[in-house]
Amino acid sequence: LAKTTQPISMDSYEGQEVNITCSHNNIATNDYITWYQQFPSQGPRFIIQGYKTKVTNEVASLFIPADRKSSTLSLPRVSLSDTAVYYCLVGDNGSSNTGKLIFGQGTTLQVKP
Amino acid sequence: KAGVTQTPRYLIKTRGQQVTLSCSPISGHRSVSWYQQTPGQGLQFLFEYFSETQRNKGNFPGRFSGRQFSNSRSEMNVSTLELGDSALYLCASSLNPDFTYEQYFGPGTRLTVT
Repeated sequence: LAKTTQPISMDSYEGQEVNITCSHNNIATNDYITWYQQFPSQGPRFIIQGYKTKVTNEVASLFIPADRKSSTLSLPRVSLSDTAVYYCLVGDNGSSNTGKLIFGQGTTLQVKP
Repeated sequence: KAGVTQTPRYLIKTRGQQVTLSCSPISGHRSVSWYQQTPGQGLQFLFEYFSETQRNKGNFPGRFSGRQFSNSRSEMNVSTLELGDSALYLCASSLNPDFTYEQYFGPGTRLTVT
């Protein structure tokens, strides 16, 4: 499983766009990039997943450059309720990894009014 | 559709006791994973079950065990509790048993060992 590196914390203000970058230099061909969000005392919530280029859903966008060694989660116009920890995960679902998510330290995003 | 439910939500136990936590996955989801979350170690994978079989296991001692029933509900058991077992225990279910990176987590069970 590829190791990921992301900033420990970020601050933003309401209404701004927030970009959180994750580095994964050792990403393998079969690996997908997945982002989760976690609020205090709650379970993580799946946000978005991608393999290459750009993926967008109602919550966020995920940008993946051609070399796939990094990815950027983009949250448009954040609000106070977006204050949470964001985790970047990289891996495949081969037989040794079935059902297993490996969470790093994540990025604590603090949105200020 | 109801989400993943976990019972109980809070639990206080004494060292040496054992505890059983329950998880009901989203209807139709047959893969269930368990995680332990602590401030020091973060989120760590315990094990995963599919069709009543444990398919994957994390690096935890044998005091931690689990099982899955035919209706996909799952339980995990911790025997001979230690103070360090105090944590938030999270259960997650997945629809596609062959691609489980999209998991849906329950609210967790907060276990305190005194």
